[in-house]
Amino acid sequence: AQSVAQPEDQVNVAEGNPLTVKCTYSVSGNPYLFWYVQYPNRGLQFLLKYITGDNLVKGSYGFEAEFNKSQTSFHLKKPSALVSDSALYFCAVRDSGAGSYQLTFGKGTKLSVIP
Amino acid sequence: ETGVTQSPTHLIKTRGQQVTLRCSSQSGHNTVSWYQQALGQGPQFIFQYYREEENGRGNFPPRFSGLQFPNYSSELNVNALELDDSALYLCASSPAPTGFGYTFGSGTRLTVV
Repeated sequence: AQSVAQPEDQVNVAEGNPLTVKCTYSVSGNPYLFWYVQYPNRGLQFLLKYITGDNLVKGSYGFEAEFNKSQTSFHLKKPSALVSDSALYFCAVRDSGAGSYQLTFGKGTKLSVIP
Repeated sequence: ETGVTQSPTHLIKTRGQQVTLRCSSQSGHNTVSWYQQALGQGPQFIFQYYREEENGRGNFPPRFSGLQFPNYSSELNVNALELDDSALYLCASSPAPTGFGYTFGSGTRLTVV
C-alpha cells in the first residue's frame, strides 16, 4: 500500500520569505513523487516530480523539492514566496512497481502568502 | 493543443438517482483517469481507462463505472447516488497509463441531496 502525509493543514508565510510545505510518504518499493497545486474552482496543475537521480528537483514557478529517502520525505520549497503562490498544494506518490500506476494524494496544505 | 474539458461543471442530484459525468481528453492522450475529491480531502483514484478498457481501479464500489470511447473521451457513471458521493470529480488524461504527464480538467462538482 502507498500513502502520503501532509502534516500541516495550513502554512502562512510573509511575501518574500522562503516557504516550505512538508510531505512524507510510504511505499513498498521505490517512490515516484509529485507536487500539484490547485487554485479555487480549478483542477490540479503539475509542479514537479521526482523519479530518480538528483535529490533536488526543480519545477515550475520557481518551486523545488528535496527527496530524502532516509526520512521518506519530499518537502516543497521556494526561496521567496509570492502572494500569487497562495493556493492548495498536494503531494502525491506512486510506487514504481509494475502495474502501480495510480497516484495517492495527501490531504493537501493550504498556503497563504501574506503581503 | 486543447486541454481536458469536463462537463457539466456543477450538478445537483437526489439520493438514489444516477449521474453521468463526461471528460474530453487532451489531444494526443490515450489514457483517462478519474479521481474523487471530497471536501477538505485529496483526490482519490477511482479508475483508469486505456484504449477503451478499464485497467486499474481504486477502492470504489461497482456502482461507480465508466467508459472510454474511440476518441479517448470518457464517462463516469454513478448509480444509486449516496450523500457521501458529493464531491469534486476530476478527470485527468495522460499520454500513457503510467501516472505521468497528467493533465487535469477543472472538475465536476456533484452535490447529492
